[in-house]
Amino acid sequence: NAGVTQTPKFQVLKTGQSMTLQCAQDMNHEYMSWYRQDPGMGLRLIHYSVGAGITDQGEVPNGYNVSRSTTEDFPLRLLSAAPSQTSVYFCASRLQGTGYTFGSGTRLTVV
Amino acid sequence: RKEVEQDPGPFNVPEGATVAFNCTYSNSASQSFFWYRQDCRKEPKLLMSVYSSGNEDGRFTAQLNRASQYISLLIRDSKLSDSATYLCVVRGGATNKLIFGTGTLLAVQP
Repeated sequence: NAGVTQTPKFQVLKTGQSMTLQCAQDMNHEYMSWYRQDPGMGLRLIHYSVGAGITDQGEVPNGYNVSRSTTEDFPLRLLSAAPSQTSVYFCASRLQGTGYTFGSGTRLTVV
Repeated sequence: RKEVEQDPGPFNVPEGATVAFNCTYSNSASQSFFWYRQDCRKEPKLLMSVYSSGNEDGRFTAQLNRASQYISLLIRDSKLSDSATYLCVVRGGATNKLIFGTGTLLAVQP
């Protein structure tokens, strides 16, 4: 049982580049979310999903897309990277009514 | 006003001390409450859920006050290994989203 797996752990992008952050869970969790964490801002919700085929926007969705074609996978796409997207990104999953299990995070720097 | 507010600290306490953190939330329809622990440069990890009647897990006690809309975390007999940031998390009513506070930093000193 690997839990929540995020790749890559570190990434440097140039402004304007696109990329996909991968997230997979093997716990058959319905709910999955992407958060970003910035100093002094706490964890802010980017997008979330309550099941395969269903996604919705969180607090800071601009510049990001998600899809949920399977229960296990919830990739986050950066469409055109900007320095403001430099952050630590966490993927998390949970069952209804429980707390989240987090992946180990992706540290993204946009230059 | 933020949906979930915490005192950022830091709380500097000696080993063996008892320390308490509070967290207030603005949505009276909130239904689930949690405390997470986050070590430096690591992911948040679930410490404990918070139940209406209050609950205890070893040296940790969590309580919920719905009337005043706050939750608390009490740590007894603090250990050096308790040093971390403690995040308060609230599941908002109709949206079912989990909202995180910005965290309270605890530093336990020898």
